[in-house]
Amino acid sequence: DQQVKQNSPSLSVQEGRISILNCDYTNSMFDYFLWYKKYPAEGPTFLISISSIKDKNEDGRFTVFLNKSAKHLSLHIVPSQPGDSAVYFCAASLRFGNEKLTFGTGTRLTIIP
Amino acid sequence: DVKVTQSSRYLVKRTGEKVFLECVQDMDHENMFWYRQDPGLGLRLIYFSYDVKMKEKGDIPEGYSVSREKKERFSLILESASTNQTSMYLCASRREGGAFFGQGTRLTVV
Repeated sequence: DQQVKQNSPSLSVQEGRISILNCDYTNSMFDYFLWYKKYPAEGPTFLISISSIKDKNEDGRFTVFLNKSAKHLSLHIVPSQPGDSAVYFCAASLRFGNEKLTFGTGTRLTIIP
Repeated sequence: DVKVTQSSRYLVKRTGEKVFLECVQDMDHENMFWYRQDPGLGLRLIYFSYDVKMKEKGDIPEGYSVSREKKERFSLILESASTNQTSMYLCASRREGGAFFGQGTRLTVV
């Protein structure tokens, strides 16, 4: 039972354009959401997070949007750069703090120069 | 700068061997996790620990055990390695907010 889903295994975007990565979840108890970026043969690195009391969080080129009624979140990267090419995982947690993270299956983003 | 260190980047082991994967964090975090990453399956939780000597099964604990004798160290043990345990293993620690991951161990069982 996949509680966090990333339905697009891959995405290609032209350099300079906006990249939009999507994530859906089924467990309505999740109230903290995160995005991670992963390069091959490295551990995931934390990008940005959002609490369920917000619907938007922004950090530089990265913005995460949360639609609780639809159980959907998205990561926007603008402008996209070649270094953004990586696998992106969304994750969800029951609480802000001491809980396990449940991950999606990932989306491979390729930025085309 | 926060740090989670896994003892090996690459390991090759034979079927039936007992394998130890070590993870150390320097952030004084109570919570530590072991995930494995496989293509198309994302990161799946094997075991986690909320405190020293405490452990909880994750989603795929079969064939694995863990040890947490000290707060900073969380070990994953493959009791008898099998080829279906060939994978990327990722250790993480968390207190609040995001979890921090180690660099990963690519384990190949032959």
